[in-house]
Amino acid sequence: AQKITQTQPGMFVQEKEAVTLDCTYDTSDQSYGLFWYKQPSSGEMIFLIYQGSYDEQNATEGRYSLNFQKARKSANLVISASQLGDSAMYFCAMREPNTGNQFYFGTGTSLTVIP
Amino acid sequence: DAGVIQSPRHEVTEMGQEVTLRCKPISGHDYLFWYRQTMMRGLELLIYFNNNVPIDDSGMPEDRFSAKMPNASFSTLKIQPSEPRDSAVYFCASSFNGYTGELFFGEGSRLTVL
Repeated sequence: AQKITQTQPGMFVQEKEAVTLDCTYDTSDQSYGLFWYKQPSSGEMIFLIYQGSYDEQNATEGRYSLNFQKARKSANLVISASQLGDSAMYFCAMREPNTGNQFYFGTGTSLTVIP
Repeated sequence: DAGVIQSPRHEVTEMGQEVTLRCKPISGHDYLFWYRQTMMRGLELLIYFNNNVPIDDSGMPEDRFSAKMPNASFSTLKIQPSEPRDSAVYFCASSFNGYTGELFFGEGSRLTVL
């Protein structure tokens, strides 16, 4: 079974609107971390936001927030007030101690912000 | 602070040649990961180390690929002999121990095998 599933290969959003990128995960661990990364066309991988499995509040970092629904095993990324520079690939990832603390990445979602 | 440093940034070589990619992780990080990224396969984990010891190399495509981490500040990924299908961007990344530590990526090494 896939550890991380991102079902949206491509998404479009109008500039200044909010967009939600979906991510579901699979683990039997109680302790785990969830991460989102951005990869612009220039190729670098940029860490955006982290959510721990024991965190009761949703993580936020500026215009990024993580909608964490533990029972549903979902960790959706919400980008508010989209900007043209948000156009990029977005990867969801999970890390769990039960499997040696390795990182599992989803297949990514390509976001295009339309002016 | 210096991030993860990879070299070379770009490599163009001919089929059959040996390729060595290098990585210097962030000082103090316990984990080092090698990933390969292509359009067809996306981001693939090749191998990762914990405290310089290889933990999981099941992602290494075949015997032509080898990776070493002789000390905490240096790792290499070697392809010998290289083939055109090895053309990809190879990322090195490092992190602290524990599931709360995020992964810090290098800028990647873009390999083209002709």
